[in-house]
Amino acid sequence: DIQMTQSPASLSASLGETVTIECRASEDIYNGLAWYQQKPGKSPQLLIYNANSLHTGVPSRFSGSGSGTQYSLKINSLQSEDVASYFCQQYYNYPLTFGSGTKLEIK
Amino acid sequence: EVQLQQSGPELRRPGSSVKLSCKASGYSITDYLMHWVKHRPEHGLEWIGWIDPEDGETKYAQKFQSKATLTADTSSNTAYMQLSSLTSEDTATYFCARTVYFDYWGQGVMVTVSS
Repeated sequence: DIQMTQSPASLSASLGETVTIECRASEDIYNGLAWYQQKPGKSPQLLIYNANSLHTGVPSRFSGSGSGTQYSLKINSLQSEDVASYFCQQYYNYPLTFGSGTKLEIK
Repeated sequence: EVQLQQSGPELRRPGSSVKLSCKASGYSITDYLMHWVKHRPEHGLEWIGWIDPEDGETKYAQKFQSKATLTADTSSNTAYMQLSSLTSEDTATYFCARTVYFDYWGQGVMVTVSS
């Protein structure tokens, strides 16, 4: 199975800041990576797929990058509504596997 | 608008089974694979498997091979997951989600296994 190592586990940043969350795969996943946002009591929402493609309706302050085994999610101009947990998921190979998540808070 | 509407919370005794539903609207379920995901806060997210509602083909994660059974009813545009021989380890929230990068999710259903 492909292991997804996500960091940091938690993150505190100020409004307007830029934050970056990273995921490292245990092997090359050829950009088969998605990022999700999950708010408490809600189902996850797709942000990014194919490592760098923005899902419909997602604000452009979210962006994804990376290749091979290293991927990142960047949130520009942090806003209060971005408080949530974020996690990555690889879909290059089965079984599909997830990162352990990053909890983002506002300072 | 694409929506996945899941059935309500379930309380089951150990050793019993439960069947969860996921009704799609805004698209035909035969157009996309339907995946199921398990979430326990202390264990994170686990992929259970998928079903192709068009032909009933399924694929499961190895650890769920004998635990979960995925089916679909195209006439009602609904996917189902049955969990058998329930134990406390099956207490979790279960989500259905569309296609391989989960562009739409159900709201989740909490299954509690307790005597």
